[in-house]
Order: sequence, then structure tokens, then C-alpha cells
Amino acid sequence: DAGVIQSPRHEVTEMGQEVTLRCKPISGHNSLFWYRQTMMRGLELLIYFNNNVPIDDSGMPEDRFSAKMPNASFSTLKIQPSEPRDSAVYFCASSSGRGGAQPQHFGDGTRLSIL
Amino acid sequence: KNQVEQSPQSLIILEGKNCTLQCNYTVSPFSNLRWYKQDTGRGPVSLTIMTFSENTKSNGRYTATLDADTKQSSLHITASQLSDSASYICVVSFMDSNYQLIWGAGTKLIIKP
Repeated sequence: DAGVIQSPRHEVTEMGQEVTLRCKPISGHNSLFWYRQTMMRGLELLIYFNNNVPIDDSGMPEDRFSAKMPNASFSTLKIQPSEPRDSAVYFCASSSGRGGAQPQHFGDGTRLSIL
Repeated sequence: KNQVEQSPQSLIILEGKNCTLQCNYTVSPFSNLRWYKQDTGRGPVSLTIMTFSENTKSNGRYTATLDADTKQSSLHITASQLSDSASYICVVSFMDSNYQLIWGAGTKLIIKP
């Protein structure tokens, strides 16, 4: 079975540009998560969707960040305008079920560099 | 404050040797504890998940233990292989939630031939 698929794997862009990260969760999973990982702060949850509905976006750092999940098989994380401090690895993860001990399955991430 | 602390920060061992990684947490109320393995340049991969009623769980050469009374967990790796070189992250679930997770900073393990 295919795992979580993220694109692009690497993105380098200049400050001020719009960045869109994409994620295809595992088929049948109804929970989707966007994380950011940096050396300083480790893994941070940005937003959590359940059944395509945003449940908790308290981790989204500021209004420059937005996320959508138009259907069960696709989600995007957008940064507009981008800033150098947004440079990080962004992970998408999915899981089945809403509560309890369900593992999250991660994609291989998008390494984002803002110059 | 809900926290997860891991030790050591990094560890180097020879191939074939065993090792144990530690995790202490102050998360309350506690639901479950997870160990993830993250290879360089890849996403984390789940190794084990334990609820408060479980005190040990194995996944191949990986064995996790949990003491909910002392709020400590360990991950034991038996007969290490070069492919075990990775970061190992302890994660504690807050409440009965699949997404309210407190992530540790990880232990970076290097296996030398």
C-alpha cells in the first residue's frame, strides 16, 4: 500500500513568494495532520483535520499560514508571504480513527528553504 | 507543564551491542506513550504504542517498557544493526486524543561497524 505522499520533496524560494505544500494521505484514513520540524523546536503540530474538517489549528504560527482539505485524498499547506524563519521540514501525517491509540503515518516531508 | 524528556541526547554503540533509551514524562492526564524511529531525511515511523495498562510491548528487536507510576519509559534495542542508526522519539498522548501529543526531542543513535 502507498504511504502518505508529499510534494515537493524540496522547495527553495525567495522571501515574499507564495509556497504551497501538498499531501495525499493513506486511503481510508480520516485524520490528517500537518507538522513542522526544526532543530530548535523539534516537531510541532500545525493543524489537525478530521473527516476533512479542521479541528484544531492553534499551532498555525500566524495568518500567513493556511491549510485546506477539499476532499479525503488531498490537503495543502500554504504560506503567503513566505519568510526566512519559515525554513523547516514540513510533514504531513494521517491516521485512522478519531481517538485512542492510533499511530500516525508520516510522509517523508518537504524541506523548505526561504532565502 | 506537560513535558517529555529523553536521555541520552545521543549515543554511539558498536554493531551487535544492545542499548536502552530513556524517556521521562510529566504529561497529565496520560493516555498512551509512543516510540517513533526517524531516519535521516525521512518521516517518523511508529515502533510501539502502549496504554497505561501495558508495561511492555515488543516490535522485533525493539522492546518498550512503561512504568505509569514513575512516569518513565524505555526503549531497548537488541543486537543492534547499522540500520538502527536513527533518531528515536518518545511521544506521550495528552488526554484520550489522537492528536494532542507531546513530542520529546529524541535520542540520536549511531551504530558503528
